[in-house]
Amino acid sequence: ELKVEQNPLFLSMQEGKNYTIYCNYSTTSDRLYWYRQDPGKSLESLFVLLSNGAVKQEGRLMASLDTKARLSTLHITAAVHDLSATYFCVNDMRFGAGTRLTVKP
Amino acid sequence: SAVISQKPSRDICQRGTSLTIQCQVDSQVTMMFWYRQQPGQSLTLIATANQGSEATYESGFVIDKFPISRPNLTFSTLTVSNMSPEDSSIYLCSSLWGTEAFFGQGTRLTVV
Repeated sequence: ELKVEQNPLFLSMQEGKNYTIYCNYSTTSDRLYWYRQDPGKSLESLFVLLSNGAVKQEGRLMASLDTKARLSTLHITAAVHDLSATYFCVNDMRFGAGTRLTVKP
Repeated sequence: SAVISQKPSRDICQRGTSLTIQCQVDSQVTMMFWYRQQPGQSLTLIATANQGSEATYESGFVIDKFPISRPNLTFSTLTVSNMSPEDSSIYLCSSLWGTEAFFGQGTRLTVV
């Protein structure tokens, strides 16, 4: 069965802290997307990772891809309240369950 | 980049009826994808639609309930048939353009 597994599903962080969201996939497609979704809003594309060892950074978010382990990570550095949202990883056009991130002051 | 126009943006339908959702892409794309997002949930892939062939449905979704058409490389429709309140969700279409994935704005369906 083709799976995209994300963890944790819920993440409550304090501002200024670091944390990592993990995304494991089981397909043979090594293209991996990360999206952000705010409540009631459309998906916002964050990163597209295309090859083993790919690393992309935008602001406080950094995504990486290990195709051998079929693992992608989304690292949050020094979290701020504005990062509160649900984050999805997508592989082979299948979505993970999402990580609902809440950043508290 | 590609732009996907999806309509309707929302609808309220009576149970037992059907609704057809349309997606128009401003570029020719090989595959289009249809999703359902139930309240508070992730997006679930319903089916993948290639032009000129029958759509490929994911486990738990059947053609009789969600017939899909893909008459050309820029257009696709998803019909939600014989609706029940459990079909109330947001439905989205998507396609790939180069390395990017693009999504329609979604159709918010409420079945009463």
